[in-house]
Amino acid sequence: VQLLESGGGLVRPGGSLRLSCAASGFSVSNYAMTWVRQAPGKGLEWVAGFSGTGDNAYYADSVKGRFTISRDTSQNTVFLQMNSLRAEDTAVYFCAKDLDTGNFPRHFFDYWGQGTLVTVSS
Amino acid sequence: DIQMTQSPSSVSASVGDRVTIACRASQPIGTWIAWYQQRPGKAPRLLIYVASSLQSGVPSRFSGSGSGTDFTLTITNLQPEDFATYYCQQAHSFPLSLGGGTTVE
Repeated sequence: VQLLESGGGLVRPGGSLRLSCAASGFSVSNYAMTWVRQAPGKGLEWVAGFSGTGDNAYYADSVKGRFTISRDTSQNTVFLQMNSLRAEDTAVYFCAKDLDTGNFPRHFFDYWGQGTLVTVSS
Repeated sequence: DIQMTQSPSSVSASVGDRVTIACRASQPIGTWIAWYQQRPGKAPRLLIYVASSLQSGVPSRFSGSGSGTDFTLTITNLQPEDFATYYCQQAHSFPLSLGGGTTVE
C-alpha cells in the first residue's frame, strides 16, 4: 500500500489548488479516504473525508464551502480541490486510508502519504 | 463538534521509563478513539484504535485504555525510537478531530 500526494505549491490568497493522492496496492473505491493537514510547527488537523465508499463527504468547519474532496476510481486517486485559499490554509496536507473496507468504516487511518506542502502567501 | 484535549503538551523522559499520555473528549465517545505517533518530518503512524486494540506491527510496549471521555496511552520501557509526538483522534462522529499532541522528549 502506498499513497503519494502531489499538487502543492505557492499560491496567492484567494487562489485555488487541486491536490492529488495517488494510491497503489488497494482500490480507493473500497475505502473511506481522508485529508489531514499540519501547519508549520503545529498539530494535526482533520480537513475532509468520505464517510464510506460512496460520495458522502464531510468537512471541517474551517474549510467547509471552500474545499471539495473527490475520487476517480479509474485513476485510483483522491483529490482535494481547494478554493478561496487563505494564509491560514498554509500546511502540509496528508491523505490517509481508512483501516476498514466497505461503507461503514470506523475512521481510523492506517496508511498515510508523506504529504504535500501548500503555501498561501502574496 | 467534539474537542479532544491532550495532556501534558510535553513530557521529559528517559530510555526505560514508563510514560502516560492523557486525552479527554468534550463529550462521551465510547471507545471511538485512536492514537498516532509522529516523528519529525514524517507521516503519522497508527498505534492504537478502538481505545485499546494494538495495530499490526506496533510493539506491545504501547497500550491504550479508557472509555467515555477519558483515555490514556501508555508506553512502557521507553525506547529511543519512541521520542516523538503523539496524537489522539476521535472517530465517534464527523467532523473528526484530533488532540493538540504530546511530545515525548
